[in-house]
Amino acid sequence: SQKIEQNSEALNIQEGKTATLTCNYTNYSPAYLQWYRQDPGRGPVFLLLIRENEKEKRKERLKVTFDTTLKQSLFHITASQPADSATYLCALDIEGGKLIFGQGTELSVKP
Amino acid sequence: DAGVIQSPRHEVTEMGQEVTLRCKPISGHNSLFWYRQTMMRGLELLIYFNNNVPIDDSGMPEDRFSAKMPNASFSTLKIQPSEPRDSAVYFCASRGGMRQETQYFGPGTRLLVL
Repeated sequence: SQKIEQNSEALNIQEGKTATLTCNYTNYSPAYLQWYRQDPGRGPVFLLLIRENEKEKRKERLKVTFDTTLKQSLFHITASQPADSATYLCALDIEGGKLIFGQGTELSVKP
Repeated sequence: DAGVIQSPRHEVTEMGQEVTLRCKPISGHNSLFWYRQTMMRGLELLIYFNNNVPIDDSGMPEDRFSAKMPNASFSTLKIQPSEPRDSAVYFCASRGGMRQETQYFGPGTRLLVL
């Protein structure tokens, strides 16, 4: 069956460290993958998109990798800050712009 | 731009009542998506429209749910009759077009069915 899995446990890290979040999937061949941030009581907000022919994408302190052989994406936040605390969702394009979302990983950055 | 607008933000109703959720997409966007989010099932796509036409409603849980998009600036999601298991946060999202991949989400409607 088709499945998307993110770090099941919440991630707690110290300010200044690098946070690494994982998104694994099975039985999909997405044209691209997206990462969204969701704060409590709010809708998800788009962060980054990476296409199947791209290995890595960066935006400020964020970096995303995409390995279509391993069927895995890694999402990194360098020099993490308490303001980065949120839930991060990965989303796969499964057909013509239709997205399927992972369950999300809750990140907590302690000062 | 005001972003995606949803109303109401909170809704508490009793089992059996009809519930109507509303969404105004970002002006100029021609794709609209309805999602439901719960702790157990995460964020699930219910239905999406391109140019006001429903394209995929395979995520609609059952006949009690219906969605319409009478014009480019308005969509509704209706639940009739509502049940306690429909309690969730319902999000509407819009996208600029088939070649635009980013979805912009509204603030959501938190629905509680007693």
